[in-house]
Amino acid sequence: AQSVTQPDIHITVSEGASLELRCNYSYGATPYLFWYVQSPGQGLQLLLKYFSGDTLVQGIKGFEAEFKRSQSSFNLRKPSVHWSDAAEYFCAVGSNAGNMLTFGGGTRLMVKP
Amino acid sequence: DADVTQTPRNRITKTGKRIMLECSQTKGHDRMYWYRQDPGLGLRLIYYSFDVKDINKGEISDGYSVSRQAQAKFSLSLESAIPNQTALYFCATSDSRQGASHEQFFGPGTRLTVL
Repeated sequence: AQSVTQPDIHITVSEGASLELRCNYSYGATPYLFWYVQSPGQGLQLLLKYFSGDTLVQGIKGFEAEFKRSQSSFNLRKPSVHWSDAAEYFCAVGSNAGNMLTFGGGTRLMVKP
Repeated sequence: DADVTQTPRNRITKTGKRIMLECSQTKGHDRMYWYRQDPGLGLRLIYYSFDVKDINKGEISDGYSVSRQAQAKFSLSLESAIPNQTALYFCATSDSRQGASHEQFFGPGTRLTVL
């Protein structure tokens, strides 16, 4: 069975600092991997996805993520965090061409002025 | 703009009541999903439907039922609500056609409180 672990429940960073959110997955085949962001009171918005090819993927809002098969990881990064990035971030792994998603528990990001 | 909408957005009900949450989409997607979100647990799949005549149980279907009334509509029912069904519920859609992006598009959520 597939599973996703986001080890950090909460992270606080200063505005302008770099950010890395960790995601580890368990899946028997080549995974479809996703990062979603949930702003307060909002639904989930897709930041980026990995299906195949280049292991460094670029997303919206200046985010990127790197797929590392050897580490079963898909960490999300941003070089300089903005106050508007404060939100909850979910990593997900998909089967059935990405149509069946398993989510991690989420990481809540707080941004200090 | 093509969208996924959920009604109601907020609902407070009492134990034992029947509740229906509705989801509509204008994206023309064939696949629809219901999730619940609980703090620290992420989103868990309740039911999913790959087509109008297709209904499948997800990870946590006990206590829930669904109806796919049309390609654009997917309703979730709690036949007899209980307090541990208090959660944030999300509907999502995806497109299975070849060449589609495979991502799921989420509605804004329904916050349900069962007293």
